Amino acid sequence: DAGVIQSPRHEVTEMGQEVTLRCKPISGHNSLFWYRQTMMRGLELLIYFNNNVPIDDSGMPEDRFSAKMPNASFSTLKIQPSEPRDSAVYFCASSSGTSGGPSYEQYFGPGTRLTVT
Amino acid sequence: RKEVEQDPGPFNVPEGATVAFNCTYSNSASQSFFWYRQDCRKEPKLLMSVYSSGNEDGRFTAQLNRASQYISLLIRDSKLSDSATYLCVVTLWGSTLGRLYFGRGTQLTVWP
Repeated sequence: DAGVIQSPRHEVTEMGQEVTLRCKPISGHNSLFWYRQTMMRGLELLIYFNNNVPIDDSGMPEDRFSAKMPNASFSTLKIQPSEPRDSAVYFCASSSGTSGGPSYEQYFGPGTRLTVT
Repeated sequence: RKEVEQDPGPFNVPEGATVAFNCTYSNSASQSFFWYRQDCRKEPKLLMSVYSSGNEDGRFTAQLNRASQYISLLIRDSKLSDSATYLCVVTLWGSTLGRLYFGRGTQLTVWP
């Protein structure tokens, strides 16, 4: 089975440009999470969705960041305009819930390594 | 204050050594506990869950101390392939939909 798919794997862009990161969760998973990882701050949760609905976006740094999940198999994270301090690895993860509650095992994609110059 | 605190290391140990990592969590309402492993330039992956009574998976032993709010991971007979960053993870009671709180990780290097 395919795992979580992210694209692009690497992105280098200039300050001020728009960046769109894409994620395809594991089929059947109903929760999707966007994280950012840097050496300084570690792994930070930006936003997460359940059944395509945003549940908590309090980790989104500022209005330059936005995320959407138009359907169960696709999500985007957009940065507009990008800044050098946005340089990081962005991970998407998904997990499945059951009738007994959520599953806490999250499956991560390979990440998108973003460099903003 | 972060939900989960870990010693970042690095821990550098020879093959065959025993090494232990601890982490502390701030919220007494924390419900479930895990260790994730992250190899260099790779994504995090679940290593093992941590149960109240302690649990073992081969060379790995995880323990939970709710009174002191800390979690430990013990690795016996270290292998070169154990070199990675180990992330301590908790969930909060009443936190729905599978949200996890990650520590910053402890880096381990096993040398020959």
